[in-house]
Amino acid sequence: SAVISQKPSRDICQRGTSLTIQCQVDSQVTMMFWYRQQPGQSLTLIATANQGSEATYESGFVIDKFPISRPNLTFSTLTVSNMSPEDSSIYLCSVEDVRGQGPSSYNEQFFGPGTRLTVL
Amino acid sequence: AQSVSQHNHHVILSEAASLELGCNYSYGGTVNLFWYVQYPGQHLQLLLKYFSGDPLVKGIKGFEAEFIKSKFSFNLRKPSVQWSDTAEYFCAVNRGGGGADGLTFGKGTHLIIQP
Repeated sequence: SAVISQKPSRDICQRGTSLTIQCQVDSQVTMMFWYRQQPGQSLTLIATANQGSEATYESGFVIDKFPISRPNLTFSTLTVSNMSPEDSSIYLCSVEDVRGQGPSSYNEQFFGPGTRLTVL
Repeated sequence: AQSVSQHNHHVILSEAASLELGCNYSYGGTVNLFWYVQYPGQHLQLLLKYFSGDPLVKGIKGFEAEFIKSKFSFNLRKPSVQWSDTAEYFCAVNRGGGGADGLTFGKGTHLIIQP
């Protein structure tokens, strides 16, 4: 199964600044996703990070606010731009990987440890 | 677009009690269904999933879930809970039929097991 690391694990930022979160996977994966988990809320999909092309954003999320890079099959970054206190959240990277072999194989989404962001 | 509804936001049980957490989804097409668990201070982990076939699926740690298509439901069950089951539980769905797709999550259920 894929092992995912994220940097930084947490940060406290001033409003108006930007933070770039890195996601590194220990194996090549086709699909990478970015989620947000606001305090007391569930996870919300921000976008699908596509390798070699622009990310696909979900409704309510735009590239200017959350630019995403995916330079290769093991790495992606999410930038939270021009931050406000409402951006305080946990940001999680997820990858889809194949588990098992042959007819019984299936795709599973693995989640990174998350980046806890606090905006003052 | 899909949506997921989890009926219980907070559940408190005693050890050895039986557990059932409700999950309903709305989507007109084929779906994949998942239950994830997040133990305090840990990553999200997959408990079990349904892609196709037998609608009663068994996962790790004695959990199981039943997909009832007519009710758009995928309730999670465990016959006898343990203190270590204290965690946040999330039901999730994505489109089935092949092709990778991000997950739509329910709001989660915070389960507390009292010794």
